[in-house]
Amino acid sequence: AQRVTQPEKLLSVFKGAPVELKCNYSYSGSPELFWYVQYSRQRLQLLLRHISRESIKGFTADLNKGETSFHLKKPFAQEEDSAMYYCALSGASGNQFYFGTGTSLTVIP
Amino acid sequence: EPEVTQTPSHQVTQMGQEVILRCVPISNHLYFYWYRQILGQKVEFLVSFYNNEISEKSEIFDDQFSVERPDGSNFTLKIRSTKLEDSAMYFCASSERGQGGTEAFFGQGTRLTVV
Repeated sequence: AQRVTQPEKLLSVFKGAPVELKCNYSYSGSPELFWYVQYSRQRLQLLLRHISRESIKGFTADLNKGETSFHLKKPFAQEEDSAMYYCALSGASGNQFYFGTGTSLTVIP
Repeated sequence: EPEVTQTPSHQVTQMGQEVILRCVPISNHLYFYWYRQILGQKVEFLVSFYNNEISEKSEIFDDQFSVERPDGSNFTLKIRSTKLEDSAMYFCASSERGQGGTEAFFGQGTRLTVV
């Protein structure tokens, strides 16, 4: 069964501190992993995906197949990073995305 | 920048009534999705649609739900006889293709309240 786990429902960090949002997955195949972000009163939007290996807004995420993890990291959190973050998985067919329960990140000024 | 649009933004309906949630996907996208998010819970997949037919659906998507692409632009979700537990945020999404690694673009959501 496909499953995405985000163990932290709430996460608070001080501005300038490093932040890591955890995501673990289980999937019997080769998944594609994504991070979506939802700022207050805005739509879900893609933050980054593992296949592109890029850094967006200072965030990076590395797919660790051995640990089945796709943790989101940023070395220095900014206040504008406060949002809801969802880890998502797409299977080979891409016919659906499996979302984690989300982590609400608050960056304290 | 093209975006997925959903109407209405908020719908209040009485239990047992039918509702239709509307979505206009991004024009060159071929795959369409409906998701829902009950307050405080995760985003859950309902159905995916490609080439004018359902390609995948979840166990949530039972006989009271149906989807349709009535013309070249709209993608609708119909809930035939609403229940209190259908109250949720409903998100439409579209993607260019269905292969892995494809980004899904989400609409702003329709908040459905069943009373």
